[in-house]
Amino acid sequence: EAGVAQSPRYKIIEKRQSVAFWCNPISGHATLYWYQQILGQGPKLLIQFQNNGVVDDSQLPKDRFSAERLKGVDSTLKIQPAKLEDSAVYLCASSLAPGGDIYGYTFGSGTRLTVV
Amino acid sequence: GESVGLHLPTLSVQEGDNSIINCAYSNSASDYFIWYKQESGKGPQFIIDIRSNMDKRQGQRVTVLLNKTVKHLSLQIAATQPGDSAVYFCAENSRSNFGNEKLTFGTGTRLTIIP
Repeated sequence: EAGVAQSPRYKIIEKRQSVAFWCNPISGHATLYWYQQILGQGPKLLIQFQNNGVVDDSQLPKDRFSAERLKGVDSTLKIQPAKLEDSAVYLCASSLAPGGDIYGYTFGSGTRLTVV
Repeated sequence: GESVGLHLPTLSVQEGDNSIINCAYSNSASDYFIWYKQESGKGPQFIIDIRSNMDKRQGQRVTVLLNKTVKHLSLQIAATQPGDSAVYFCAENSRSNFGNEKLTFGTGTRLTIIP
C-alpha cells in the first residue's frame, strides 16, 4: 500500500512569513497526527484528528499554528507568522483508527522547515 | 523522557557485534511501547513493539526488554549490519487527559556501525 505522503520535502522561509505543509494519509486511515521534530530531539505531537475533527491540539501553539483536515482525508498544517524556533521537521502520521497499540502508526518522510 | 539540546546519545558498534540501546520512559500508565528507527531524511520506521503485560519480545535480530519497575526499555540488535546505522527512538503509548491514545517519544540514540 502507498505510504503517508507529505509535501514539500524542504522549505526555507524568512521569519514572519507564512508556510503550509500538506499530508495525504494512507487510504482509509481515520486518525491523522502532526508531529514537530526539532533537530536532536524526538517527535512531539502537535495535533491529532479523528476523521475531520480535532481530538487533541493541546501542544499546538495556536497563536501561530493552525491545522485542518477537510473531508477527513488530506490535512494541512500552517504556520503564520513563522519564528526562528519553528525550524524543524514536520512529520505526519496516520492510523486506521484510534488506538495505536492495535492499528499501528505509519509516518511520512516529513517536511524540513528552515526559518532564517 | 525527551532529550534536550542537539546532542543525541551515541553508540558505536563494530559490524557483526551486538548492540543494546536503552530508554527510560516517564508514564507508569503507558501500556504499549514501540521502538522506531529513523534514518536521515526519513520518518520513524517501526521496528518492534511490546505491551505492558510482557517483559520480553523477540523479532528478527531484535529483542525488546521491558522493566516496568524502573520504567526502562532496551532494544537489542544482534549481529549488527551497516544498514542498522540510524537514530533509534523508544515511544510510549498512553491515554492523554483528553482520552485519546497518544505517542510520546523518548530520547533518541544515534547508532553507528563501524565496518
